Amino acid sequence: QVTLRESGPALVKPTETLTLTCTFSGFSLTTRGVCVAWIRQAPGKAPEWLALIDWDDGKYYNTSLKTRLTISQAPSENQVVLTMTNMDPEDTATYYCARQPRFMEWSFDFWGQGIPVTVSS
Amino acid sequence: EIVLTQSPATLSLSPGERATLSCRASQSVITYLAWYQQKPGQAPRLLIYDASKRATGTPARFSGSGSGTDFTLTISSLEPEDFAVYYCQQRTNWPSITFGQGTRLEIK
Repeated sequence: QVTLRESGPALVKPTETLTLTCTFSGFSLTTRGVCVAWIRQAPGKAPEWLALIDWDDGKYYNTSLKTRLTISQAPSENQVVLTMTNMDPEDTATYYCARQPRFMEWSFDFWGQGIPVTVSS
Repeated sequence: EIVLTQSPATLSLSPGERATLSCRASQSVITYLAWYQQKPGQAPRLLIYDASKRATGTPARFSGSGSGTDFTLTISSLEPEDFAVYYCQQRTNWPSITFGQGTRLEIK
């Protein structure tokens, strides 16, 4: 059974760095053709892809946010960490992690429940 | 960046009716297009991938079609649980990934 769960702070201040952790089970990120992605969704808006990490530790970022994002696999092999620097109120959103397998043509087949993050002083 | 434009923004229909949702890409995405359903307070749920393949658990009343720049999600006979927001998503030019702005399917 594939599950993903996001964890991290619910509130950050402007200019601070956000660190989110995705803890997953039911699959391995060392399996060829499997990726884990981060996606966010501002209130009332469409989802926005942020970053992904693949089975070979390849890392890819949304070009418009690339300078602020870092994705990595935590020492515990079933965790992926996303950091976003210089947070702004416009970054207020629900942040999701999702699995992205090649056998599903890289669509997002399983999602976490999401973690709402508010940026405010 | 490939832009996905969904239409209509809102679709008002009654249970039992047929729904047709459109997604148009600013350039060809071949068939690398997926459809998601999202209900309030929930994460998006994958319905269709590779333009026309139903994901596990997707009811047969949902079908996807299209290639290149024009895609359609059809719900043959609406059930009460189908009223939600639907998004299309592409992944061409890996790993550039974008979503459409969504179509809200509401009860008439």
